[in-house]
Amino acid sequence: ELKVEQNPLFLSMQEGKNYTIYCNYSTTSDRLYWYRQDPGKSLESLFVLLSNGAVKQEGRLMASLDTKARLSTLHITAAVHDLSATYFCAVHRNQFYFGTGTSLTVIP
Amino acid sequence: DVKVTQSSRYLVKRTGEKVFLECVQDMDHENMFWYRQDPGLGLRLIYFSYDVKMKEKGDIPEGYSVSREKKERFSLILESASTNQTSMYLCASSLSGSGANVLTFGAGSRLTVL
Repeated sequence: ELKVEQNPLFLSMQEGKNYTIYCNYSTTSDRLYWYRQDPGKSLESLFVLLSNGAVKQEGRLMASLDTKARLSTLHITAAVHDLSATYFCAVHRNQFYFGTGTSLTVIP
Repeated sequence: DVKVTQSSRYLVKRTGEKVFLECVQDMDHENMFWYRQDPGLGLRLIYFSYDVKMKEKGDIPEGYSVSREKKERFSLILESASTNQTSMYLCASSLSGSGANVLTFGAGSRLTVL
């Protein structure tokens, strides 16, 4: 069974600071996804990473993929309150496997 | 934009009741999925379907069944609801093929079983 682990599970950070969320997975996968979930809302797609070394950026968020290490990172630059949400990574291998999520709170 | 609509945002049912959760997508996606989301456990796949009248078990199918009579509609059925099925249920859809195949989620259905 493919396992996906995220860390940290909870993250409280001050506005303006940088931080990285890590996503490790246990077997090879052809695709890696990042989703965002706001409280009481459903999941929205942030990034899709399709190959080793892939890097995608949107605003203050940047995602990267290292398929050899089976690791993806979501880097947050100069955090703002609007980034407070839960972030999930997911890998695809015949079906989608989700991590447990990282709950991010950005404090003014 | 793809829209995935779940019929009920909040439901309260009693133990032993039959529960239907409906999901409709409007962009001709082949694949449809039902997940449940619980704190600390992430999303767990209950059932999925790659085509009309086709279904596959996910990781936690026990106590659930599904129906896909039309391409756009995927229903989740709890034959006899139990308290441990209290959860948030998320429906999602995606295209088939070799592309990115991003999942598009519905707003979710929060079920409470008393």
